[in-house]
Amino acid sequence: KQEVTQIPAALSVPEGENLVLNCSFTDSAIYNLQWFRQDPGKGLTSLLLIQSSQREQTSGRLNASLDKSSGRSTLYIAASQPGDSATYLCAVVSSNTGKLIFGQGTTLQVKP
Amino acid sequence: SAVISQKPSRDICQRGTSLTIQCQVDSQVTMMFWYRQQPGQSLTLIATANQGSEATYESGFVIDKFPISRPNLTFSTLTVSNMSPEDSSIYLCSVGTVSSYEQYFGPGTRLTVT
Repeated sequence: KQEVTQIPAALSVPEGENLVLNCSFTDSAIYNLQWFRQDPGKGLTSLLLIQSSQREQTSGRLNASLDKSSGRSTLYIAASQPGDSATYLCAVVSSNTGKLIFGQGTTLQVKP
Repeated sequence: SAVISQKPSRDICQRGTSLTIQCQVDSQVTMMFWYRQQPGQSLTLIATANQGSEATYESGFVIDKFPISRPNLTFSTLTVSNMSPEDSSIYLCSVGTVSSYEQYFGPGTRLTVT
């Protein structure tokens, strides 16, 4: 059974810092991995999608990497801003089921 | 990416009543899903909404409690029946692409049951 874990559960940093969020999954049989952002009480915004054959994806200040063999992904946020404060969710699509399986999320607070 | 809307955005309901949540997509999509996010928790898949046939439910979710309709490729509804306070959650619909399995989410419906 696929399990997704995100570390840390919460993170507080001063504005301007570069930071890394971690995601690990137990079964390397995945179609892809997605990183989402969720603001309190809101829906999910897709940030980056990495196909299983890819190593990384970049969008603006965000860079996500994928090491499928070790079951790990990282989301790198450069020059963090208070507007980046949100919960970041990592999810994988299992090759066996085609379903999206979520981690518990990392809640980020960027202080001005 | 698809644009997804949900109605209502939030509601406060009494125990024992039912609420129907609507999900509308701006383009035809093959895959539609319904998720629940309980307070402080991550997302859990309730069911896959199949166009023209019965939804496929995940373990722990049953049709009598969460009936789902999908009359066409752009619209679906989820009903939360005979509600109890434990049903207080955010309910989200999502759509997926067959080519990449990427999913896009609606804004969610925040349900509070008193």
